[in-house]
Amino acid sequence: KNEVEQSPQNLTAQEGEFITINCSYSVGISALHWLQQHPGGGIVSLFMLSSGKKKHGRLIATINIQEKHSSLHITASHPRDSAVYICAVRVNAGNMLTFGGGTRLMVKP
Amino acid sequence: EPEVTQTPSHQVTQMGQEVILRCVPISNHLYFYWYRQILGQKVEFLVSFYNNEISEKSEIFDDQFSVERPDGSNFTLKIRSTKLEDSAMYFCASSAGYNYGYTFGSGTRLTVV
Repeated sequence: KNEVEQSPQNLTAQEGEFITINCSYSVGISALHWLQQHPGGGIVSLFMLSSGKKKHGRLIATINIQEKHSSLHITASHPRDSAVYICAVRVNAGNMLTFGGGTRLMVKP
Repeated sequence: EPEVTQTPSHQVTQMGQEVILRCVPISNHLYFYWYRQILGQKVEFLVSFYNNEISEKSEIFDDQFSVERPDGSNFTLKIRSTKLEDSAMYFCASSAGYNYGYTFGSGTRLTVV
């Protein structure tokens, strides 16, 4: 059974801080997604990656396939980054996503 | 930017009633999905749909659930006889292909009373 674990579950940061959210999974995957969920509930896709590193604005996502681990970094954090960040993986030969429990981030001004 | 549209945003229904949740995926996408999130829990996969048929489904997606793409634009999820435990946020998503990212709708909050 594929498990997706995220840490930390909750994170409070001061504006401007560098933030790291971690995701570990237990089986071989074909892709990993980082998603953002705002208080209203909607889900926005941030990254899909299967190797290496991707960058978009202040967000950076990395993945280490051998170690079954991914990180999401936010540079120069801002209160508008406050949201739940979710890691989800697509296992090899499948099409469904298995979700982690999310990391609730609050950035204080 | 293209969006996945879900209606209604919130539905309250009596236990035992049938509900239909509607989604309009992005027009050139080929893969369609339903996921649900019970309050305070992880998002869970329900079903994926490709080429006018179900390609994968979870244990949650039992005989009470069905999906349909009736007219080439809408993608619906029907729950035949709702239970209290079906109360959740239901998300529709679509994707252009296996190696592409997902676009999620804003969700339908279903409350069964």
